[in-house]
Amino acid sequence: GAVVSQHPSRVICKSGTSVKIECRSLDFQATTMFWYRQFPKKSLMLMATSNEGSKATYEQGVEKDKFLINHASLTLSTLTVTSAHPEDSSFYICSAKTSGGRGETQYFGPGTRLLVL
Amino acid sequence: AQSVTQLDSHVSVSEGTPVLLRCNYSSSYSPSLFWYVQHPNKGLQLLLKYTSAATLVKGINGFEAEFKKSETSFHLTKPSAHMSDAAEYFCVVSDGTGGFKTIFGAGTRLFVKA
Repeated sequence: GAVVSQHPSRVICKSGTSVKIECRSLDFQATTMFWYRQFPKKSLMLMATSNEGSKATYEQGVEKDKFLINHASLTLSTLTVTSAHPEDSSFYICSAKTSGGRGETQYFGPGTRLLVL
Repeated sequence: AQSVTQLDSHVSVSEGTPVLLRCNYSSSYSPSLFWYVQHPNKGLQLLLKYTSAATLVKGINGFEAEFKKSETSFHLTKPSAHMSDAAEYFCVVSDGTGGFKTIFGAGTRLFVKA
């Protein structure tokens, strides 16, 4: 199946700094990528949807200035957590899908564990 | 509007016995339905998906699910549990319209006893 990678897998940062997380589709072109956040022992919460070459669409309650998303190419999307605070600590997961049709599958990355001290 | 309900937050079975993880959905359109598995501190792996073809869908690792429109259900089953099946399972619905909205269920934690 299709492979999606994330980098880094784990990151620890100080409060007030910014952290960038990369999501790459390794063997297919992803017209749409999604960013999710998962709290401990909880389900995934969709944060935003990004389409290559256009602005991301954020879900209600997600601060677009806090979580900057860039989808500059068909294989790369980045999520930057700006001025991170301890409450931003979480597991961030991206997914990617190919274009066209209904029911196409999302392929998930392995996730990035962010810890803000 | 879409929603998905996983009826059990935890399921515990003995190794070698059948597994049943229940999922009900609602969707304004003919939905696509998925089951994903997540092992601790790992990403999600697709088990199987239903996209309006055969109602009985076979997935990886011996799992299968049956789409029942009349019951709006998409329960996940496996005839014989293995210790390695212990994980979190998510039922997911997508209607593929507009922005390809995907909704995750709350998850079911499967415990497998030796």
